[in-house]
Formats: sequence, C-alpha cells, structure tokens
Amino acid sequence: DADVTQTPRNRITKTGKRIMLECSQTKGHDRMYWYRQDPGLGLQLIYYSFDVKDINKGEISDGYSVSRQAQAKFSLSLESAIPNQTALYFCATSGDSDEQFFGPGTRLTVL
Amino acid sequence: EDKVVQSPLSLVVHEGDTVTLNCSYEVTNFRSLLWYKQEKKAPTFLFMLTSSGIEKKSGRLSSILDKKELSSILNITATQTGDSAIYLCAQTTSGTYKYIFGTGTRLKVLA
Repeated sequence: DADVTQTPRNRITKTGKRIMLECSQTKGHDRMYWYRQDPGLGLQLIYYSFDVKDINKGEISDGYSVSRQAQAKFSLSLESAIPNQTALYFCATSGDSDEQFFGPGTRLTVL
Repeated sequence: EDKVVQSPLSLVVHEGDTVTLNCSYEVTNFRSLLWYKQEKKAPTFLFMLTSSGIEKKSGRLSSILDKKELSSILNITATQTGDSAIYLCAQTTSGTYKYIFGTGTRLKVLA
C-alpha cells in the first residue's frame, strides 16, 4: 500500500462549488504539505503543517483552506472553486530528513 | 525572496548522450538542496545535498553542490528513454521546513 494517498485522483467540478481534497499518510511524519502544479511553474506551496496545531500559509494560499484532522490526515479545501484553480495538486510529507514523500496527485478541473 | 532557477527549461537528446541539468538558488541560511524526477505523476526523490554532503552518485546519475556558486548540477550519463521526465530541484533553509521548488527541466531522450 502507498505511504501517502490522495482522494479523489481526478475531479471535475463547476465554478462556485466547494471541493475538498484529502490526504492520508502511514509514514508517521509530522510535517505535511499541499502543493499545486501548473505546466511550466513547478510546484507551488499552498499550505503546510508541522503538527495538528500548527498550520502555515504557503506562497499561494488565497482561495484555499486546510484542516489537519490528525497526524496522518491533511485536507485541502477550495471554498468556491474558480477555473484558474484547475491544476494538479500534490500532498507530501517529510520526517527526520529533508526528503519529501509525495502522494499520487489529484487532477482538478474547474469548469 | 528565496528563488530557485533551473536551466535549461527543456532538453532533447539521443540515447547514449550525457546531459547536465543546472539548478541555482538564492537563499540565506541554506540547509539542503534536493533533486526529484517526475515522470507521469508524483515526483520521486533522487538526491539530497547539504554543506556536509556535496556530491552524490547513484548508477548513471550524479549530483554536485557548489556552495560558492550557489548552484547544483545533475548529470546523467549514457541516457536512456526511461530517463525522459521532468527533473525538479528544491532547496530548504535552516529554521524552516519550507521547500522552494524550481520550475523544472523537461528532458526527452530519443531512441
């Protein structure tokens, strides 16, 4: 079984809808991250969390919110989706070293 | 603001060629630089370089950190079609566990 899982893997939604992307990990890591990837723009950090009580904004947090329900779970919400939030979203974790472990990604399309 | 720049943006070579990918960073309190390979979906970890570990090698891939020039290179010798991917570099800084990613280099290896 994968160490970092994301659901859903693909989602098509309409402008204005609320969307939640979920991430779970079995690695026992405290640090979890949400990234967005657009073609030609690499990975941009949306939010990150160092434990259930510590949530931090990344470079592109506007229009997004997160919830760290437990050490193993970190959810990303789009309160009112817009077309320019169409992208590939990755969850990642890290532990004692700087190596990050990525989930398989969620491809989100906002019509 | 910290920034990571990768070059070239894209590269097309033939099997057997040697390629060198570049990553430069502008950051204070540098802690580590990481290289990832991204094929179809999630990035997979290749190397981590730090001030105490400036050279890494694994098979045909090797990477060097130049602390003076604030840059790193990723070398791939005897390229194969399976090396076709986007190669990402990211840096971390002391006192934080944020990762700043470059935009990536898209490598295509032709048979």
